[in-house]
Amino acid sequence: DAMVIQNPRYQVTQFGKPVTLSCSQTLNHNVMYWYQQKSSQAPKLLFHYYDKDFNNEADTPDNFQSRRPNTSFCFLDIRSPGLGDAAMYLCATSRDGGQGDSPLHFGNGTRLTVT
Amino acid sequence: GNSVTQMEGPVTLSEEAFLTINCTYTATGYPSLFWYVQYPGEGLQLLLKATKADDKGSNKGFEATYRKETTSFHLEKGSVQVSDSAVYFCALSALAGGFKTIFGAGTRLFVKA
Repeated sequence: DAMVIQNPRYQVTQFGKPVTLSCSQTLNHNVMYWYQQKSSQAPKLLFHYYDKDFNNEADTPDNFQSRRPNTSFCFLDIRSPGLGDAAMYLCATSRDGGQGDSPLHFGNGTRLTVT
Repeated sequence: GNSVTQMEGPVTLSEEAFLTINCTYTATGYPSLFWYVQYPGEGLQLLLKATKADDKGSNKGFEATYRKETTSFHLEKGSVQVSDSAVYFCALSALAGGFKTIFGAGTRLFVKA
């Protein structure tokens, strides 16, 4: 089955130690998103790629960065994690992002713990 | 700006009870509307969608009708099961918002046997 895969499912990092979360997709979707979700709150969009075009949300901290080396993979880098960055990080894809009727396809998320 | 408001939870029901989770939205133009479901420890999954006024989305016994006159997209199910226990998110995507998906705060549903 075509899907969105996130690795690892659980990640523990130390305060200030850089961490990278990964996402891959077999759907061949051109848009990939990173969301942060805390305590079953609504997912908060951090940024997204439309093909190779990077789109950062205005309120996303500079501490968060992303890379998309090819269509299938996307990475979330947290340069200096703080305790407030502990959350579930969700990767999602959509077919085009431009018609409004394409739903998001989510991975199962990576739960990040900062010690 | 675009926004979604849904009823606060948690909602606790007995098995086979009728479910309604209210959702209203604010958006310019004609948004597409979605319900997503999140089971414990998992990502969100699309439950159903509607892309124009009076459309009814349906899946797994759940239904929601796009009501433009009341700007609502309430989720209903006639007979819930224990396996329906999850968090439900109402969401929209609209041209005025750059087609970014905007989520409601989520409603947690507990179904008791």
